[in-house]
Amino acid sequence: GAVVSQHPSRVICKSGTSVKIECRSLDFQATTMFWYRQFPKQSLMLMATSNEGSKATYEQGVEKDKFLINHASLTLSTLTVTSAHPEDSSFYICSARGGMETQYFGPGTRLLVL
Amino acid sequence: QKEVEQNSGPLSVPEGAIASLNCTYSDRGSQSFFWYRQYSGKSPELIMSIYSNGDKEDGRFTAQLNKASQYVSLLIRDSQPSDSATYLCAVKGTGNQFYFGTGTSLTVIP
Repeated sequence: GAVVSQHPSRVICKSGTSVKIECRSLDFQATTMFWYRQFPKQSLMLMATSNEGSKATYEQGVEKDKFLINHASLTLSTLTVTSAHPEDSSFYICSARGGMETQYFGPGTRLLVL
Repeated sequence: QKEVEQNSGPLSVPEGAIASLNCTYSDRGSQSFFWYRQYSGKSPELIMSIYSNGDKEDGRFTAQLNKASQYVSLLIRDSQPSDSATYLCAVKGTGNQFYFGTGTSLTVIP
């Protein structure tokens, strides 16, 4: 299957700082990337969908000014959590889809905000 | 009504038994269906995709699709403790959006 990487895999930051998470499709061109958040023992929650070269579409209740998404190329999307607070601590997972139907997930980034 | 519904479980089966996971969806025009497995603390990984009515087999896994009943299932034969995970059903709707179920937690008891 296709390979999607995420960096960093784990990050700890102080409250009020910004954190950038990168999502890369390594062996295919991702026309669409998705960003999810998952709290412990809860299901995946879609935050936003981004298409290369256009603005991301955010799900209801997700603040677009707090979670900045950039999908500048067909292999890279970034999620920046701005002014992070402890309640933003979560497991952030990206997925990517190219010309095929399937979404392939990255390994996830665990964010802890102190 | 949610787009994709799954029984959250937990579902427990003894080692060697068949585990049956079920999923229903609301968008009758959906054409693409996926099963993902998610181990605790890890991201989901694709197990199978199915697009046509009937059964699709891959090793110990069989996906079953019934579009008339808007129902898709995953059977795991000869269940192993390593199959213990949460299984997510995903459906690609007519609007090109993906919808995920909340997942079914499976425990295979040695």
